[in-house]
Amino acid sequence: DVKVTQSSRYLVKRTGEKVFLECVQDMDHENMFWYRQDPGLGLRLIYFSYDVKMKEKGDIPEGYSVSREKKERFSLILESASTNQTSMYLCASSHRGLQPQHFGDGTRLSIL
Amino acid sequence: AQKVTQAQTEISVVEKEDVTLDCVYETRDTTYYLFWYKQPPSGELVFLIRRNSFDEQNEISGRYSWNFQKSTSSFNFTITASQVVDSAVYFCALSVDTGRRALTFGSGTRLQVQP
Repeated sequence: DVKVTQSSRYLVKRTGEKVFLECVQDMDHENMFWYRQDPGLGLRLIYFSYDVKMKEKGDIPEGYSVSREKKERFSLILESASTNQTSMYLCASSHRGLQPQHFGDGTRLSIL
Repeated sequence: AQKVTQAQTEISVVEKEDVTLDCVYETRDTTYYLFWYKQPPSGELVFLIRRNSFDEQNEISGRYSWNFQKSTSSFNFTITASQVVDSAVYFCALSVDTGRRALTFGSGTRLQVQP
């Protein structure tokens, strides 16, 4: 079974902090994605990566950056956390092409 | 640009009722995939089905069935004889074969199955 592991289920940070969300997958997937989920809005794509050291912006990249130094790990960085970044963050991975994405359990992030 | 609309925000049924979740999509691409995911209260998204744009055959898997109609740009999901364990948020999603190939999600439908 594919395993996508997010480092924390719940996280509380303060405004202005630099926040790191980590995601690791164990199935040698080329593609990795970060989404945020908000009530009534579904999941929105923040950033994605097709390969190591490659990244592309999604629909809502402002205030975020990402890092993919190794194939199995994809990190989401909130450069200076703000209260409007309080949300559920979901990481996903898949093989190349239009393959099903496999999701982690999510990180519920609160910015105070 | 792609768009997925799930007009039903929340549906409540009693156990053993049949229920259909609607999904309407928009894309100009001719090659695309449609997906359904389930998100139970525990939070993780579970992949249910993928259907490509060239295969309009309906699919049945146990109590679940999917009806794909390109003429109406719809990919509806029916649960037969619903059970309490079906209570979850269900997302329809679309991915196209050009550009970024990421999923475009609908806003989700929360299904509550009462005992």
